[in-house]
Amino acid sequence: AQTVTQSQPEMSVQEAETVTLSCTYDTSESDYYLFWYKQPPSRQMILVIRQEAYKQQNATENRFSVNFQKAAKSFSLKISDSQLGDAAMYFCAYRFRMNSGGYQKVTFGTGTKLQVIP
Amino acid sequence: DGGITQSPKYLFRKEGQNVTLSCEQNLNHDAMYWYRQDPGQGLRLIYYSQIVNDFQKGDIAEGYSVSREKKESFPLTVTSAQKNPTAFYLCASSSLDRAGETQYFGPGTRLLVL
Repeated sequence: AQTVTQSQPEMSVQEAETVTLSCTYDTSESDYYLFWYKQPPSRQMILVIRQEAYKQQNATENRFSVNFQKAAKSFSLKISDSQLGDAAMYFCAYRFRMNSGGYQKVTFGTGTKLQVIP
Repeated sequence: DGGITQSPKYLFRKEGQNVTLSCEQNLNHDAMYWYRQDPGQGLRLIYYSQIVNDFQKGDIAEGYSVSREKKESFPLTVTSAQKNPTAFYLCASSSLDRAGETQYFGPGTRLLVL
């Protein structure tokens, strides 16, 4: 069974600094998706970034980037130039990729709470 | 605007009462999902549906029921059999084609027991 582990329950970062959130996962599959979701105090889950395992290039979305290490099964999220609005819970998630489409379970980690210090 | 709506934002349940949480989407997604979120835990799947009039149990379906009479709607009923219903409930949807790997979430419903 796939598992997703976020070993940092809480992290803090100074405003304008850079922070990296860790995520490791366990799977026997070779083709899958990885996600980072953000859950601010409003509690709505917002997709931050997505990585396809067959792509070697790390995904980037503005100030958010990932370090995807497939062999190590590691998928960390880097937030640059941290802003107060980045304060939230961050969840790492995994989904197997099927060529034919269809339902595949998404497995979530337990989350990392990020505090941004002014 | 396309998106997912959930109502109510807060819901109170009395002992022995069934309550229903609403979830509607206008994204034309085939698949819809219900998750439960408890403090310190990730999201756990309650039920999912890939097509109208069909749904499947997730990891923690006991004490819950769903229906999918319309593509846009996937209501969740928390029955009296669910002994610990206090949690945050999130509805999500996705397409089922090869690009449908991403689930999009509604704003959630907080359920509290009186």
